[in-house]
Amino acid sequence: KAGVTQTPRYLIKTRGQQVTLSCSPISGHRSVSWYQQTPGQGLQFLFEYFSETQRNKGNFPGRFSGRQFSNSRSEMNVSTLELGDSALYLCASSPGGLNTGELFFGEGSRLTVL
Amino acid sequence: GNSVTQMEGPVTLSEEAFLTINCTYTATGYPSLFWYVQYPGEGLQLLLKATKADDKGSNKGFEATYRKETTSFHLEKGSVQVSDSAVYFCASGGGGTSYGKLTFGQGTILTVHP
Repeated sequence: KAGVTQTPRYLIKTRGQQVTLSCSPISGHRSVSWYQQTPGQGLQFLFEYFSETQRNKGNFPGRFSGRQFSNSRSEMNVSTLELGDSALYLCASSPGGLNTGELFFGEGSRLTVL
Repeated sequence: GNSVTQMEGPVTLSEEAFLTINCTYTATGYPSLFWYVQYPGEGLQLLLKATKADDKGSNKGFEATYRKETTSFHLEKGSVQVSDSAVYFCASGGGGTSYGKLTFGQGTILTVHP
């Protein structure tokens, strides 16, 4: 069974630009969560989608948004990039429904903002 | 809100030494508790979990017991190996309305020398 796939793996942007990251969950998984990982703040929850609906949202500004498609694939978008948005963005999937919290993570997309 | 506190790292041990990584949590209700591990160059993966008080999670020689009275979930291993070198994250969440939202500790870097 293929794992969680994130693209692109690495990208460099400049301040003010926007970026879109993609996540393909494990086949059959209907829930996709996104996390930001930085050395200073650690792992922070961004949002979670289940059956194309946002089910939970973390404490991030509106520049961070996401969506989920009918095939459960998900994208997240960050607009008007700031230097502080440089981070590893992790996507995680789970079967969904009554979630036990057991998440399956991808290897992440490393964003550098210059 | 929920929070997870892990012992400060990094931790450096010799092979076959005993390992303890402390983790305490604050939460409303009774969350599930997890230890995730991030090996060099790999994504986060679940190491073990416990879903209710007094449950013991175990995997690959690692153990952790859900202690409600001390709000703790300390990770232990009797004899570490070089291959255990990784970053370990304690997390709480799952179930109820938390779904795919986990709260992570800051992570503890473990290095095991031969």
